[in-house]
Amino acid sequence: GENVEQHPSTLSVQEGDSAVIKCTYSDSASNYFPWYKQELGKRPQLIIDIRSNVGEKKDQRIAVTLNKTAKHFSLHITETQPEDSAVYFCAADSWGKFQFGAGTQVVVTP
Amino acid sequence: GAVVSQHPSWVICKSGTSVKIECRSLDFQATTMFWYRQFPKQSLMLMATSNEGSKATYEQGVEKDKFLINHASLTLSTLTVTSAHPEDSSFYICSAQGANIQYFGAGTRLSVL
Repeated sequence: GENVEQHPSTLSVQEGDSAVIKCTYSDSASNYFPWYKQELGKRPQLIIDIRSNVGEKKDQRIAVTLNKTAKHFSLHITETQPEDSAVYFCAADSWGKFQFGAGTQVVVTP
Repeated sequence: GAVVSQHPSWVICKSGTSVKIECRSLDFQATTMFWYRQFPKQSLMLMATSNEGSKATYEQGVEKDKFLINHASLTLSTLTVTSAHPEDSSFYICSAQGANIQYFGAGTRLSVL
Protein backbone atom coordinates (compact mmCIF):
# COMPACT_ATOMS: atom_id res chain seq x y z
CA GLY A 1 0.00 0.00 0.00
CA GLU A 2 0.86 3.67 -0.04
CA ASN A 3 3.43 5.03 2.38
CA VAL A 4 3.81 8.77 2.91
CA GLU A 5 6.74 10.29 4.73
CA GLN A 6 6.74 13.91 5.84
CA HIS A 7 9.59 16.13 7.01
CA PRO A 8 10.35 17.97 9.15
CA SER A 9 8.25 17.02 12.15
CA THR A 10 8.63 20.50 13.61
CA LEU A 11 9.48 23.79 11.96
CA SER A 12 10.08 27.09 13.66
CA VAL A 13 10.23 30.18 11.46
CA GLN A 14 10.47 33.89 11.99
CA GLU A 15 7.46 35.89 10.93
CA GLY A 16 7.89 36.96 7.33
CA ASP A 17 10.21 34.10 6.41
CA SER A 18 9.26 31.14 4.22
CA ALA A 19 8.40 27.63 5.37
CA VAL A 20 8.84 24.47 3.32
CA ILE A 21 7.45 21.04 4.16
CA LYS A 22 8.37 18.00 2.10
CA CYS A 23 6.60 14.70 1.55
CA THR A 24 7.46 11.55 -0.36
CA TYR A 25 5.12 8.79 -1.43
CA SER A 26 5.62 5.24 -2.60
CA ASP A 27 2.68 4.36 -4.84
CA SER A 28 3.24 5.62 -8.38
CA ALA A 29 -0.50 5.22 -9.03
CA SER A 30 -1.34 8.01 -6.56
CA ASN A 31 -2.71 10.94 -8.48
CA TYR A 32 -4.05 13.43 -5.96
CA PHE A 33 -2.10 15.17 -3.20
CA PRO A 34 -3.91 17.44 -0.72
CA TRP A 35 -2.47 19.46 2.12
CA TYR A 36 -4.43 20.01 5.31
CA LYS A 37 -3.93 22.49 8.14
CA GLN A 38 -5.07 21.50 11.61
CA GLU A 39 -5.17 23.93 14.49
CA LEU A 40 -5.16 22.57 18.01
CA GLY A 41 -8.41 20.73 18.79
CA LYS A 42 -9.96 21.56 15.44
CA ARG A 43 -10.75 19.73 12.24
CA PRO A 44 -8.22 19.45 9.40
CA GLN A 45 -8.91 22.07 6.73
CA LEU A 46 -7.89 21.66 3.10
CA ILE A 47 -5.55 24.50 2.17
CA ILE A 48 -4.30 23.45 -1.25
CA ASP A 49 -4.13 20.36 -3.43
CA ILE A 50 -2.49 19.22 -6.62
CA ARG A 51 -3.22 16.52 -9.15
CA SER A 52 -0.64 14.40 -10.89
CA ASN A 53 -1.03 16.13 -14.25
CA VAL A 54 0.20 19.43 -12.78
CA GLY A 55 3.68 20.30 -11.55
CA GLU A 56 2.92 23.37 -9.49
CA LYS A 57 -0.03 25.21 -8.05
CA LYS A 58 -0.17 28.50 -6.19
CA ASP A 59 -2.79 30.21 -4.08
CA GLN A 60 -1.67 33.56 -2.67
CA ARG A 61 1.07 32.80 -0.10
CA ILE A 62 0.78 29.04 -0.46
CA ALA A 63 2.20 26.89 -3.23
CA VAL A 64 2.61 23.19 -3.81
CA THR A 65 5.05 21.50 -6.16
CA LEU A 66 4.96 17.92 -7.38
CA ASN A 67 7.73 15.82 -8.85
CA LYS A 68 6.11 12.62 -10.11
CA THR A 69 9.37 11.05 -11.20
CA ALA A 70 10.93 11.41 -7.78
CA LYS A 71 7.57 10.85 -6.03
CA HIS A 72 7.77 13.84 -3.82
CA PHE A 73 5.74 16.97 -3.27
CA SER A 74 6.29 20.05 -1.17
CA LEU A 75 4.29 22.81 0.49
CA HIS A 76 5.70 26.32 0.41
CA ILE A 77 4.39 29.12 2.60
CA THR A 78 5.82 32.57 1.96
CA GLU A 79 5.69 35.64 4.18
CA THR A 80 4.62 33.56 7.16
CA GLN A 81 2.31 35.07 9.74
CA PRO A 82 1.53 33.99 13.33
CA GLU A 83 -1.84 32.63 12.17
CA ASP A 84 0.04 30.13 10.00
CA SER A 85 1.07 28.33 13.19
CA ALA A 86 -0.58 24.89 13.12
CA VAL A 87 0.07 21.27 12.21
CA TYR A 88 0.21 20.61 8.49
CA PHE A 89 -0.48 17.19 6.98
CA CYS A 90 0.26 16.04 3.47
CA ALA A 91 -1.66 13.14 1.97
CA ALA A 92 -1.62 10.96 -1.10
CA ASP A 93 -4.73 9.45 -2.62
CA SER A 94 -4.20 5.75 -3.17
CA TRP A 95 -7.14 3.81 -4.58
CA GLY A 96 -9.65 6.28 -3.20
CA LYS A 97 -8.16 6.39 0.30
CA PHE A 98 -5.90 9.03 1.76
CA GLN A 99 -2.63 8.07 3.37
CA PHE A 100 -1.52 10.92 5.58
CA GLY A 101 1.97 11.98 6.49
CA ALA A 102 2.95 12.20 10.13
CA GLY A 103 2.42 15.96 10.24
CA THR A 104 4.60 19.04 10.69
CA GLN A 105 4.17 21.37 13.64
CA VAL A 106 4.82 24.86 12.31
CA VAL A 107 5.49 27.65 14.79
CA VAL A 108 5.75 31.19 13.49
CA THR A 109 7.41 33.51 15.96
CA PRO A 110 6.79 37.28 15.81
CA GLY B 1 -16.80 24.78 1.01
CA ALA B 2 -18.77 21.67 1.89
CA VAL B 3 -19.89 21.21 5.48
CA VAL B 4 -19.58 18.04 7.50
CA SER B 5 -21.20 17.90 10.91
CA GLN B 6 -19.99 15.46 13.56
CA HIS B 7 -21.78 14.83 16.81
CA PRO B 8 -21.12 14.69 19.69
CA SER B 9 -17.97 16.77 19.96
CA TRP B 10 -17.07 15.36 23.34
CA VAL B 11 -18.25 12.32 25.27
CA ILE B 12 -17.28 10.77 28.57
CA CYS B 13 -18.52 7.28 29.31
CA LYS B 14 -18.00 4.43 31.70
CA SER B 15 -16.02 1.38 30.72
CA GLY B 16 -18.23 -1.24 29.11
CA THR B 17 -20.76 1.13 27.60
CA SER B 18 -21.26 1.82 23.91
CA VAL B 19 -20.93 5.19 22.25
CA LYS B 20 -22.41 6.27 18.93
CA ILE B 21 -20.86 9.05 16.84
CA GLU B 22 -22.69 10.61 13.91
CA CYS B 23 -21.22 12.13 10.78
CA ARG B 24 -23.43 14.11 8.42
CA SER B 25 -22.72 15.83 5.14
CA LEU B 26 -24.96 18.88 5.29
CA ASP B 27 -24.90 20.29 1.78
CA PHE B 28 -23.82 17.44 -0.43
CA GLN B 29 -24.33 13.72 -0.82
CA ALA B 30 -21.46 11.46 0.07
CA THR B 31 -21.43 7.88 -1.11
CA THR B 32 -18.16 7.42 0.74
CA MET B 33 -17.25 8.52 4.23
CA PHE B 34 -14.13 7.75 6.22
CA TRP B 35 -13.47 7.26 9.90
CA TYR B 36 -10.12 8.20 11.39
CA ARG B 37 -8.58 7.99 14.80
CA GLN B 38 -6.05 10.55 15.97
CA PHE B 39 -3.86 10.27 19.04
CA PRO B 40 -2.33 13.41 20.59
CA LYS B 41 0.32 14.97 18.37
CA GLN B 42 -0.01 12.18 15.83
CA SER B 43 -1.38 11.80 12.36
CA LEU B 44 -4.79 10.67 11.22
CA MET B 45 -5.03 6.91 11.08
CA LEU B 46 -7.70 5.55 8.77
CA MET B 47 -9.93 3.07 10.56
CA ALA B 48 -12.49 2.25 7.91
CA THR B 49 -14.15 3.32 4.71
CA SER B 50 -17.91 3.61 4.86
CA ASN B 51 -19.90 3.17 1.67
CA GLU B 52 -23.58 3.96 1.47
CA GLY B 53 -25.69 0.83 1.29
CA SER B 54 -22.87 -1.64 1.75
CA LYS B 55 -20.61 -2.99 4.45
CA ALA B 56 -17.72 -0.87 5.62
CA THR B 57 -14.17 -1.75 4.71
CA TYR B 58 -11.90 -1.89 7.72
CA GLU B 59 -8.17 -1.26 7.78
CA GLN B 60 -5.85 -3.95 9.02
CA GLY B 61 -5.84 -4.21 12.78
CA VAL B 62 -9.20 -2.50 13.28
CA GLU B 63 -11.81 -4.75 14.90
CA LYS B 64 -15.04 -4.56 12.95
CA ASP B 65 -17.07 -5.94 15.85
CA LYS B 66 -15.60 -3.30 18.13
CA PHE B 67 -16.16 -0.37 15.81
CA LEU B 68 -19.52 -0.76 14.12
CA ILE B 69 -20.11 1.43 11.10
CA ASN B 70 -23.44 2.10 9.44
CA HIS B 71 -23.91 4.24 6.35
CA ALA B 72 -27.64 4.11 5.86
CA SER B 73 -28.05 7.21 3.70
CA LEU B 74 -26.04 9.45 1.42
CA THR B 75 -25.68 12.04 4.17
CA LEU B 76 -25.18 10.02 7.34
CA SER B 77 -22.63 7.56 8.63
CA THR B 78 -22.38 6.39 12.23
CA LEU B 79 -19.55 4.85 14.21
CA THR B 80 -20.44 2.91 17.34
CA VAL B 81 -17.66 2.06 19.76
CA THR B 82 -18.99 -1.03 21.49
CA SER B 83 -18.06 -1.99 25.04
CA ALA B 84 -15.66 0.91 25.26
CA HIS B 85 -12.54 0.62 27.39
CA PRO B 86 -10.00 3.23 28.49
CA GLU B 87 -7.67 2.30 25.62
CA ASP B 88 -10.41 3.39 23.20
CA SER B 89 -10.07 6.95 24.47
CA SER B 90 -9.04 9.04 21.50
CA PHE B 91 -10.06 11.71 19.02
CA TYR B 92 -12.27 10.26 16.29
CA ILE B 93 -12.76 12.23 13.07
CA CYS B 94 -14.97 11.49 10.11
CA SER B 95 -14.70 12.80 6.60
CA ALA B 96 -17.09 12.82 3.68
CA GLN B 97 -15.88 12.61 0.14
CA GLY B 98 -17.13 15.00 -2.49
CA ALA B 99 -15.44 15.29 -5.89
CA ASN B 100 -12.28 13.53 -4.66
CA ILE B 101 -11.92 16.02 -1.82
CA GLN B 102 -12.36 14.90 1.77
CA TYR B 103 -14.16 17.32 4.04
CA PHE B 104 -13.65 16.66 7.72
CA GLY B 105 -15.99 16.78 10.66
CA ALA B 106 -14.95 18.64 13.80
CA GLY B 107 -14.08 15.41 15.57
CA THR B 108 -15.28 13.64 18.71
CA ARG B 109 -13.13 13.40 21.78
CA LEU B 110 -13.95 10.17 23.58
CA SER B 111 -12.88 9.64 27.16
CA VAL B 112 -13.60 6.23 28.68
CA LEU B 113 -13.35 6.07 32.46
